[in-house]
Amino acid sequence: DQQVKQNSPSLSVQEGRISILNCDYTNSMFDYFLWYKKYPAEGPTFLISISSIKDKNEDGRFTVFLNKSAKHLSLHIVPSQPGDSAVYFCAARAGGGADGLTFGKGTHLIIQP
Amino acid sequence: KAGVTQTPRYLIKTRGQQVTLSCSPISGHRSVSWYQQTPGQGLQFLFEYFSETQRNKGNFPGRFSGRQFSNSRSEMNVSTLELGDSALYLCASRTGGANTGELFFGEGSRLTVL
Repeated sequence: DQQVKQNSPSLSVQEGRISILNCDYTNSMFDYFLWYKKYPAEGPTFLISISSIKDKNEDGRFTVFLNKSAKHLSLHIVPSQPGDSAVYFCAARAGGGADGLTFGKGTHLIIQP
Repeated sequence: KAGVTQTPRYLIKTRGQQVTLSCSPISGHRSVSWYQQTPGQGLQFLFEYFSETQRNKGNFPGRFSGRQFSNSRSEMNVSTLELGDSALYLCASRTGGANTGELFFGEGSRLTVL
């Protein structure tokens, strides 16, 4: 049973436009959500996070939105740049952090020139 | 500051063998976690160690084990390897304090089981 779902395995966006990556979750105990970015042959790197008490967090070109009632979060990248091409993983934490992170399967974002 | 270092980066084993992977966390980080990444399942949590103690364990069989040393370096071992154990094994470290979930990952050890 997948508790964190990223239903789009890949997404293609034109350079300069907005990229929107989506993530759904089922576990109501999740209290912290994160996005990680992964390039080939490298480990994932932390991008941005949001606590369940907030509905939006912004960091430069990256904004994460959380809709708790829908159990849905999204990552917006504006404007998209070629260096943003990577696999993006949505992750969630429950239980105040004692448990490991639960990751989605990832979305491969391709930024086209 | 040096990042998380994993060795070996690549290795090939045959079914039934065992393997040991090593991870050196970022200096000052006391928590080390291990994740398995496969194309079909994404990243799955194996276990976390803090101050030489296993703090939590994911849903993996007992063939998967780990330990942490007093210098925070960690090893994970997989015994009686199966074809399905072929994966990228990622180690991640954090300070070990309040867990915001922000982990620092190594580049991983890619295991191929033939």
